Amino acid sequence: EVQLLESGGGLVQPGGSLRLSCAASGFTFGSHVMTWVRQAPGKGLEWVSTLRTSGGETSYADSVRGRFTLSRDTSENTVYLQINTLRAEDTAIYYCARGTVAGIGGGKYYFDYWGQGTLVTVSS
Amino acid sequence: EIVMTQSPATLSVSPGERATLSCRASQSVSSDLAWYQQKSGQAPRLLIYGASTRATGISARFSGSGSGTEFTLTISSLQSEDFAIYYCHQYNSWPPGFGPGTKVDIK
Repeated sequence: EVQLLESGGGLVQPGGSLRLSCAASGFTFGSHVMTWVRQAPGKGLEWVSTLRTSGGETSYADSVRGRFTLSRDTSENTVYLQINTLRAEDTAIYYCARGTVAGIGGGKYYFDYWGQGTLVTVSS
Repeated sequence: EIVMTQSPATLSVSPGERATLSCRASQSVSSDLAWYQQKSGQAPRLLIYGASTRATGISARFSGSGSGTEFTLTISSLQSEDFAIYYCHQYNSWPPGFGPGTKVDIK
């Protein structure tokens, strides 16, 4: 059974930092990409970042590039989202999701399993 | 960047009726389109990928169609557990993007 368990959320002051974790189990970690999607209170879904677990390449949304860093520990089947210089608009539930490649050629992923999310609140 | 739009924003439907949700992309995404269901307080769940392929365990009540820029999610006979928000997602080009969602509520 595929499971994704996020942790690390909490209340942080503007300008602060957090590290979110997503522990994955039930599948071959290196065969999928791992993604973070966030959802501000009462709002829709926003893609944040994707990591290709086999090679370690990362992609980021413009809104977080330079402040967020996505990394992996393949020995622990865990991905980490380091979030720095937090702003009020970063307040959201952060979901970890597994990405599965669509078709041949690579580079296209839909998100077939999601964790329950971890809440990040940025407030003074 | 491809912009996704969804209509209507809210759809009021009686149980047992059909619901038709629309998603439009600002440029072609081929068939690289997924649909997710999100119930209140829960994580999103994949319903459809490749525009029309149901994900594992998804009821045949759900069907997807379309390609290019116009897509449709149809729920053939709404059950109580289907009242939720539905999002479309294009994964044809980077960055991936979601539509703003359609809320399906009880009429």
